[in-house]
Parts: sequence; C-alpha cells; structure tokens
Amino acid sequence: DIVMTQTPLSLSVTPGQPASISCKASQSLLQSDGKTYLYWYLQKSGQPPHLLIYELSNRFSGVPDRFSGSGSGTDFTLKISRVEAEDVGVYYCMQTPHLPITFGQGTRLEIK
Amino acid sequence: QVQLQQSGPGLVKPSQTLSLICAVSGDSVSSNDATWNWIRQSPSRGLEWLGRTYYRSKWYNDYAVSVKSRITIKPDTSKNQFSLQLNSVTPEDTAVYYCTRDGYWGYWGQGTPVTVSS
Repeated sequence: DIVMTQTPLSLSVTPGQPASISCKASQSLLQSDGKTYLYWYLQKSGQPPHLLIYELSNRFSGVPDRFSGSGSGTDFTLKISRVEAEDVGVYYCMQTPHLPITFGQGTRLEIK
Repeated sequence: QVQLQQSGPGLVKPSQTLSLICAVSGDSVSSNDATWNWIRQSPSRGLEWLGRTYYRSKWYNDYAVSVKSRITIKPDTSKNQFSLQLNSVTPEDTAVYYCTRDGYWGYWGQGTPVTVSS
C-alpha cells in the first residue's frame, strides 16, 4: 500500500499569516497521462471531507484562491496564503492511482 | 451537479451484516467514466477506502484486502444507487461510512455513523 505521510500533524496559525502542509507518498503519483493524482481535503467537525485541490494543483469549484497545491512525484505541499478563521479543521491528502486508495493521517489547523 | 444521499441503520449487532445505500443524482451509476466508492473513518484507522464498483461494458469491483472476505458493493441501476454490505461485523467496524464518486473526488455522501454493539 502507498503510505501518505503528512507533516506537521498540527499547526497553530495567526489569522492573516501563511500556512503550509507537507504530504509525502511512498511511491510516485505521476501517471502516464502526465497527471499527478494527489488530492487535498479539509474536514470540519461533523462533516465529510470537502475537496480543496484535485490532481495536484487544481482548485475545486468554490475554493478560495488562497489555497494552492504544488509538488511532484512523491512530495507535495498545500499552502494557505493568508489563513482565515474558517480554515480551521483537519487537512488530508489522498492518492488514487494505486489501489488501495490511501490517505494521510491528517493535519489539524487551529487559529491562534 | 452530482449528489450522493446515504441511508441505512446506525446500529448493527456483532456478527450481523452492515448494509448501507448511496442514492445518486446528477449522474448515472452506469456511467462509463465513473467509479463509485465506499470509504470509512474511525479514530483508530483514520480514513480507509473499502472498495468500489464501476461499469466498463460490464460491472467490476475492487475491494480493500482488509475487508475483501466480508464486503460486497453492488449497483442498482433501476434506482440509480449502489450499496455496501459488510458481513460478520465486529466493534472494529464502528465508523462513519461515506460513499463517494471518483473524477474530481469532490462528491461525497453526508456520512452515516455506524456503531457495532449488542
């Protein structure tokens, strides 16, 4: 199974400041079609995960442009340019090209 | 827009069968470019993909090794929905269960908390 390792596991950020979460995969997620099938989610308490970024760097519909995804191969980053209070929750990365589909363990973001 | 609506009991007795349904709107379970998945989430196991069903001229399934001997995911084309059955449940199967569609992977059901307890 592909292991997805997120760091840090938690972070506390002052509103207006940037935040960055790392996700490392145990194998490359780059596929022959040139796409990298890495996804980022935010899960708020009591809700299903909400998609932020699909295929490495594409923002899903309605996602603010302060969220961005980058990386290549096995190393990926989610960046929030200016954290807002509504960004609190747990962030997950997910890989889909290798079955079983696997997730990172989650990064909890709190506001200072 | 794709919408997924889950239904099913929230309490199952040990050794019995967990059964959930995911009703699809805005898409077809028979679509040739979609897969329909079940994922669960628990504090001990995190987010865990359980399996999928999909149609490519015929129906296919893939299952996680951890549940392969106990799981069935089936489409119901007449109702445009798909189901999850997990047999011989134990308290370890207590979790929130989600259905989801691939593609963007942005469409999830609302989640069904399931407790396995006598």
